[in-house]
Amino acid sequence: EAGVAQSPRYKIIEKRQSVAFWCNPISGHATLYWYQQILGQGPKLLIQFQNNGVVDDSQLPKDRFSAERLKGVDSTLKIQPAKLEDSAVYLCASSPGQGLHEQYFGPGTRLTVT
Amino acid sequence: AQSVTQLGSHVSVSEGALVLLRCNYSSSVPPYLFWYVQYPNQGLQLLLKYTTGATLVKGINGFEAEFKKSETSFHLTKPSAHMSDAAEYFCAVALLGFQKLVFGTGTRLLVSP
Repeated sequence: EAGVAQSPRYKIIEKRQSVAFWCNPISGHATLYWYQQILGQGPKLLIQFQNNGVVDDSQLPKDRFSAERLKGVDSTLKIQPAKLEDSAVYLCASSPGQGLHEQYFGPGTRLTVT
Repeated sequence: AQSVTQLGSHVSVSEGALVLLRCNYSSSVPPYLFWYVQYPNQGLQLLLKYTTGATLVKGINGFEAEFKKSETSFHLTKPSAHMSDAAEYFCAVALLGFQKLVFGTGTRLLVSP
């Protein structure tokens, strides 16, 4: 089966610009996650969707970050405006549903803000 | 709140030597524990997990980990390192009934010939 797809793989922008990342989860997976992985740190959950509803966005900086999963399939994560400290790898993961299922990770998008 | 501490940001071993990566957790209730591996420019891949039952858990690629409640530890081991094991390893904890994973800061495993 196809894995979690993410695009773009790399992005370089200047501070105060906006950027969007796209994620297509494994077919049939109801739960989708976005993580931020800053260099030298472990991934930190930004937002979790169950189908097209938000389950947890407690660590999402809502003044500049937004995410949507309108049809309960693919998802976009947006940053507007970007700050230098947003430089990180943004990982998308999916799992079959509620409960402690394995999370399957995409390759990530490496964002550099200059 | 639960948390994970990984001792040693870098661990170096020779090919064929024992691999030991340390993970200690903090949780007020019985946790679920995970080890993930991340190869360069790739996403994370699950190595193994502990939920309930047997405390010695075997995973992929010859890795295993033992849950020790008295020591609040979940160390990852492999009897004989291979060059292909060079990667970053993350320990993570989740609370019973929750899907939210809290990751440690990672340990980079370096394997020399």
